[in-house]
Amino acid sequence: GIQVEQSPPDLILQEGANSTLRCNFSDSVNNLQWFHQNPWGQLINLFYIPSGTKQNGRLSATTVATERYSLLYISSSQTTDSGVYFCAVGEIQGAQKLVFGQGTRLTINP
Amino acid sequence: KAGVTQTPRYLIKTRGQQVTLSCSPISGHRSVSWYQQTPGQGLQFLFEYFSETQRNKGNFPGRFSGRQFSNSRSEMNVSTLELGDSALYLCASSLGGLVNEQFFGPGTRLTVL
Repeated sequence: GIQVEQSPPDLILQEGANSTLRCNFSDSVNNLQWFHQNPWGQLINLFYIPSGTKQNGRLSATTVATERYSLLYISSSQTTDSGVYFCAVGEIQGAQKLVFGQGTRLTINP
Repeated sequence: KAGVTQTPRYLIKTRGQQVTLSCSPISGHRSVSWYQQTPGQGLQFLFEYFSETQRNKGNFPGRFSGRQFSNSRSEMNVSTLELGDSALYLCASSLGGLVNEQFFGPGTRLTVL
């Protein structure tokens, strides 16, 4: 099945810094989403981005499907951005399911 | 529009018991999928239902089963609970299936003693 790797696993930054989270996947996909998991466990949708570039406030994402990676950018980080960020992809071949990466734990210090 | 809801939010059971979790999707969504999240294995796909039919299934034992009703609400059942079943169980809904944007509920945290 498809493999999804997120990097870095952990990231510690000061408030106001910018960050880039990466998601690599091993095969063609028909879905790619970025989520932020809040402290209570709920996955909050950030982007649905199988290809192209999107922006939402301080957050933006780019997926280059032909090169099998996606990037999530967070600018001017705030302490409320802390948490775990997941990338999830839908594989085209084999079982139709959403496969998650292991996540990037982001800590923003004041 | 109301989001995905899951009940109960927390559950404590003992080994050998069975449990049923419920998920109500966003109105108009016909696909419901279930995921298990544990510290060791991360987020893993359990199964997906669409129009009352299981379309896709992950690599979990037969103790894990589910169903979907005509109003798209879904239930997941785990029989003969094991300690390793302790996890956060998340359900997601979407319009047409796994190729569409998935929206997750708040989860049910199951503890097996």
